[in-house]
Amino acid sequence: DAGITQSPRHKVTETGTPVTLRCHQTENHRYMYWYRQDPGHGLRLIHYSYGVKDTDKGEVSDGYSVSRSKTEDFLLTLESATSSQTSVYFCAISESSGTGGNYFGEGSWLTVV
Amino acid sequence: QKEVEQNSGPLSVPEGAIASLNCTYSDRVSQSFFWYRQYSGKSPELIMSIYSNGDKEDGRFTAQLNKASQYVSLLIRDSQPSDSATYLCAVMENTGFQKLVFGTGTRLLVSP
Repeated sequence: DAGITQSPRHKVTETGTPVTLRCHQTENHRYMYWYRQDPGHGLRLIHYSYGVKDTDKGEVSDGYSVSRSKTEDFLLTLESATSSQTSVYFCAISESSGTGGNYFGEGSWLTVV
Repeated sequence: QKEVEQNSGPLSVPEGAIASLNCTYSDRVSQSFFWYRQYSGKSPELIMSIYSNGDKEDGRFTAQLNKASQYVSLLIRDSQPSDSATYLCAVMENTGFQKLVFGTGTRLLVSP
């Protein structure tokens, strides 16, 4: 158990509204990631963080922003949700130097209607 | 964007057989490779990592890596119905910050 908690686990929201997903970890890992998973596309990296206030874009970052003000929390924000952002969102951490595998949270199912 | 290719399946094997899952990748300089198991509606679970050419065994699982052929595989011996899941191959990019690139996964069905 990597001690990762995602919230909310399920959310339905309307197009155009802002949405924030939270990832909380209890083991002081430096590296944190946000992925989305869609049929036919697999897991795709949205944003990642390598420390407090240190973040960078991944493969599919358009329409998303992140913040990390504390080691334990990594927030993903959809500024104005669109139907194309309906997906399952996974937070992950990486132990040690970031060169090992990622360990995933339980996922957040987001539906934009 | 580096690519990781997997056959989507489903790969169907009878209980007790060996399941062989394959993955090819495009980044010739990749050094780290991972296999994840994902049950339907659940998050991916890391089951194997491999960094050197050859075989790495862990229980019923064996990961095989051939960097010259840019090929990594996962063998599951004595397959059980509980092994039925989607198996994701992931390759770590070796450019700047090290990020994982995932394949789309192979669905494995083990029939009793």
